[in-house]
Amino acid sequence: DVKVTQSSRYLVKRTGEKVFLECVQDMDHENMFWYRQDPGLGLRLIYFSYDVKMKEKGDIPEGYSVSREKKERFSLILESASTNQTSMYLCASSLPGGSYGYTFGSGTRLTVV
Amino acid sequence: SQQGEEDPQALSIQEGENATMNCSYKTSINNLQWYRQNSGRGLVHLILIRSNEREKHSGRLRVTLDTSKKSSSLLITASRAADTASYFCATDPTSGTYKYIFGTGTRLKVLA
Repeated sequence: DVKVTQSSRYLVKRTGEKVFLECVQDMDHENMFWYRQDPGLGLRLIYFSYDVKMKEKGDIPEGYSVSREKKERFSLILESASTNQTSMYLCASSLPGGSYGYTFGSGTRLTVV
Repeated sequence: SQQGEEDPQALSIQEGENATMNCSYKTSINNLQWYRQNSGRGLVHLILIRSNEREKHSGRLRVTLDTSKKSSSLLITASRAADTASYFCATDPTSGTYKYIFGTGTRLKVLA
């Protein structure tokens, strides 16, 4: 069964910590995405990558960075976690172009205290 | 800003009834998709309809698309308690960025 795996379901971190959220897909997809989901705001795109070592900013990249050293792995990094980054983080992957839909991971609920 | 806006924001129906939710969007699209999200989980792709299609079926799901009105509807027939979830539309804009734009979702509750 093809899938996108996010390393943690729940995570609690302290303000100022550097946080790594990992996402791995086994579908050989070129495109990978990181979204955050907040009540009333829907899904907002943080960063996406369309190839190894390639990345582009989404709508809300401030306070985040990403790394894609291998095709199957896309990491989201919170350089210095803040309480306003408490959220549900969703990773997704897709084939090139927009015609095939996304496959999502199960999400990581991050709480920054 | 979110392109897709779902309506209603929340819907509560009895098991066996049909559920209809709507999505409006602002720009030209290549396709529109619907996703389901169970509480606290990731989104699951349900169905994709291309801009040159008007209606599509998948099991108990029926999706319509009206590009002149920039709107789509998702109909779930004979709903079950297991259909309780949030439903999101996502659009693939013709601007070619291959980034879908998601709406804020409709929360559906099916009462047994």
